[in-house]
Amino acid sequence: NAGVTQTPKFRVLKTGQSMTLLCAQDMNHEYMYWYRQDPGMGLRLIHYSVGEGTTAKGEVPDGYNVSRLKKQNFLLGLESAAPSQTSVYFCASRDRDRVRNEQFFGPGTRLTVL
Amino acid sequence: RKEVEQDPGPFNVPEGATVAFNCTYSNSASQSFFWYRQDCRKEPKLLMSVYSSGNEDGRFTAQLNRASQYISLLIRDSKLSDSATYLCVVGMEGSNYQLIWGAGTKLIIKP
Repeated sequence: NAGVTQTPKFRVLKTGQSMTLLCAQDMNHEYMYWYRQDPGMGLRLIHYSVGEGTTAKGEVPDGYNVSRLKKQNFLLGLESAAPSQTSVYFCASRDRDRVRNEQFFGPGTRLTVL
Repeated sequence: RKEVEQDPGPFNVPEGATVAFNCTYSNSASQSFFWYRQDCRKEPKLLMSVYSSGNEDGRFTAQLNRASQYISLLIRDSKLSDSATYLCVVGMEGSNYQLIWGAGTKLIIKP
């Protein structure tokens, strides 16, 4: 079991470039999340999905788009990168069980926008 | 005011000592509470859930005070490997289990 994987691990973009971050999980989880983590701040939710084919906005969705075409994959897209999007991006997944709310995280993607 | 507030630290503690962190949350409707641990440049991992009656897992004890809206984490007999950032996390039922994350408290255990 690989758990949650993210690609790429590092990326440097120029302002205005686009890219897609891929998250994959092999735990058959229904729920998937994209967060960003900035110094001195808690994780902030960008978008999330409660199942294949569904997506919803989180706390900071502007400038990002997502897709969940397959249950195991959750893609985060930046159409026109800005320096304010320099951050560490974490993907997470969890199962539907109400009692066990644990989110399992990928190793993160460190993105720098110049 | 942040929804989940933590003292950022760092807490510098000698090995073997006991250390406690608090975390306050603003939404009285919050229903689930957790402590996650994050090592430097790594992803967060669940340390323990926090239950109303308080709970213990080895050297770690978590307490919840709903009236005062705070959560605590106590680490006894601290080890060098306990050095990490501890994230306080709060969730609400009916919100697709979205979690609100504190910015974390950094703990450094010194030999």
